[in-house]
Amino acid sequence: AQSVAQPEDQVNVAEGNPLTVKCTYSVSGNPYLFWYVQYPNRGLQFLLKYITGDNLVKGSYGFEAEFNKSQTSFHLKKPSALVSDSALYFCAVRDGGTGGFKTIFGAGTRLFVKA
Amino acid sequence: NAGVTQTPKFQVLKTGQSMTLQCAQDMNHEYMSWYRQDPGMGLRLIHYSVGAGITDQGEVPNGYNVSRSTTEDFPLRLLSAAPSQTSVYFCASSSRGASGDYEQYFGPGTRLTVT
Repeated sequence: AQSVAQPEDQVNVAEGNPLTVKCTYSVSGNPYLFWYVQYPNRGLQFLLKYITGDNLVKGSYGFEAEFNKSQTSFHLKKPSALVSDSALYFCAVRDGGTGGFKTIFGAGTRLFVKA
Repeated sequence: NAGVTQTPKFQVLKTGQSMTLQCAQDMNHEYMSWYRQDPGMGLRLIHYSVGAGITDQGEVPNGYNVSRSTTEDFPLRLLSAAPSQTSVYFCASSSRGASGDYEQYFGPGTRLTVT
């Protein structure tokens, strides 16, 4: 069975500084990895995904994530944080090896960006 | 193109009552899922469907039923509501992924309170 861990409940960063939101995963087959963002009182929005290929993937709003197979990690990064990036971020994994669709989410990390 | 729609937005039930949360998508997506979001727990998968007539259980299926008679609709039924089912419920859809589009599109959510 697949699982996702987001070890930090909250990340605080100053505007203009780089940010990292951590995610580790466990699957038996090939991992399909996703990041989603949730703004207050809204549904989740897709940010980026890793299916195969280049380990560094770029997504919406200047975010990127690095897939590290040996560390089973998929950390979300942004070179320069904005106050408007403050939101709840979810990492998710699907087991691509089984061909199934079941997608499991982490508990979420709340990002606060201070002006 | 409305994407994923959910009704109602808010609902209050008494313990033991039953109800159906509606979800519809107009993107012709094969895959649909129901999640519940609770503080500190992230999103937990309740049930999912890989096509009309095919459903499967997720992480927390007890107390919920689903059916998928059409590609567009995926209702979630609470058989006998319990206070533990107080949560925000999200419906999501995704394409099969032949073109690499594996990400999910989420509805705006239904906030359910069971007293």
